[in-house]
Amino acid sequence: EAGVTQSPTHLIKTRGQQATLRCSPISGHTSVYWYQQALGLGLQFLLWYDEGEERNRGNFPPRFSGRQFPNYSSELNVNALELEDSALYLCASSVTWDRSYGYTFGSGTRLTVV
Amino acid sequence: AQKITQTQPGMFVQEKEAVTLDCTYDTSDPSYGLFWYKQPSSGEMIFLIYQGSYDQQNATEGRYSLNFQKARKSANLVISASQLGDSAMYFCAMRELTGTASKLTFGTGTRLQVTL
Repeated sequence: EAGVTQSPTHLIKTRGQQATLRCSPISGHTSVYWYQQALGLGLQFLLWYDEGEERNRGNFPPRFSGRQFPNYSSELNVNALELEDSALYLCASSVTWDRSYGYTFGSGTRLTVV
Repeated sequence: AQKITQTQPGMFVQEKEAVTLDCTYDTSDPSYGLFWYKQPSSGEMIFLIYQGSYDQQNATEGRYSLNFQKARKSANLVISASQLGDSAMYFCAMRELTGTASKLTFGTGTRLQVTL
């Protein structure tokens, strides 16, 4: 069974540009979660998508947005990039019907804003 | 609102010794799940162990066990017989099992260094 896949692995962007990060969940998982992990810090919740809808978002500005496609894959878009957006962005997937089921994480996209 | 606290930024342990990583939590939901993840330097998050709030027994998975003390709201991870490969960041996380929120909330992590 394929795990959660994220692309690209690394991304370098200039301040003010837009970045698009992609995530494919495990087959059968309908929920996708995005987290930001700045260097040396913990995981900050960004967004939760389930069945194509945004269900919850963390305390991030509107320039962080995303969507979930009919095949449950997801995109995270970051507009007007700022230097402090440099971080590891982790995607995770899970089933919705059993919350005792944990998340399975991808390997992350490391975004560097210069 | 749910909250996870890990008070140990860093820990050292000698190879083959046991180590306990602390985690306390706060939630108003009577039904919740507690998780521990390992994050090596490569960045991926690896699931280690799960404890449900209504589970009577402490969870164990190989060399990992979870010391769950519900009244004290603590869920400490115990790693027995530490190995050099255990050197990593360890995150405690909680998920409320009822209500509309479904996200995992993470603590700030503990960096474990296993020495010879």
